[in-house]
Amino acid sequence: EPEVTQTPSHQVTQMGQEVILRCVPISNHLYFYWYRQILGQKVEFLVSFYNNEISEKSEIFDDQFSVERPDGSNFTLKIRSTKLEDSAMYFCASTLKGGTGELFFGEGSRLTVL
Amino acid sequence: GEDVEQSLFLSVREGDSSVINCTYTDSSSTYLYWYKQEPGAGLQLLTYIFSNMDMKQDQRLTVLLNKKDKHLSLRIADTQTGDSAIYFCADNSGNTGKLIFGQGTTLQVKP
Repeated sequence: EPEVTQTPSHQVTQMGQEVILRCVPISNHLYFYWYRQILGQKVEFLVSFYNNEISEKSEIFDDQFSVERPDGSNFTLKIRSTKLEDSAMYFCASTLKGGTGELFFGEGSRLTVL
Repeated sequence: GEDVEQSLFLSVREGDSSVINCTYTDSSSTYLYWYKQEPGAGLQLLTYIFSNMDMKQDQRLTVLLNKKDKHLSLRIADTQTGDSAIYFCADNSGNTGKLIFGQGTTLQVKP
């Protein structure tokens, strides 16, 4: 069964460092997303991406964040200068059709900022 | 903004039915989802329902949707210990794929 894969599963970094989280969406999917879940809080939408550009982003997704689809398979989330409050589980998701039907999530990348 | 609310905890005995409830505020929702999260794992899509449906059944899972009351429920028949997990309700806000999640209901299944 096709699945969304994410790497790394866990990353520990120092405050102020750059972090790149990687995702391989399901191969025929066209819409890609990043969500995050701070420990004990709700899963929150960060950004959606379609046709090589951001379709929508939340207030959380400020200038410190960027996304990229550098090739035909990877989808990355970059945090330029990490803050303590960026510590969270980051989930990548993909779907074939943007607003409808099945939205599949990866296993998540846990980011710990010290 | 749009919101989704769930009760935080449910405990049942193995073999009983579990009913997890969810309320949402977005009147333009088209799809509503149930995800399962086991400890240390990702979000597994269990099922989803289109807003023009009242009910959807998939093996042991039954989803009921009351659009008038903006109430969604997930019933798990013959609950097993392997069903112990956190269950998230999510609303497809604005029909864009941007999901609004509830805070999750922890289901504890006692043998």
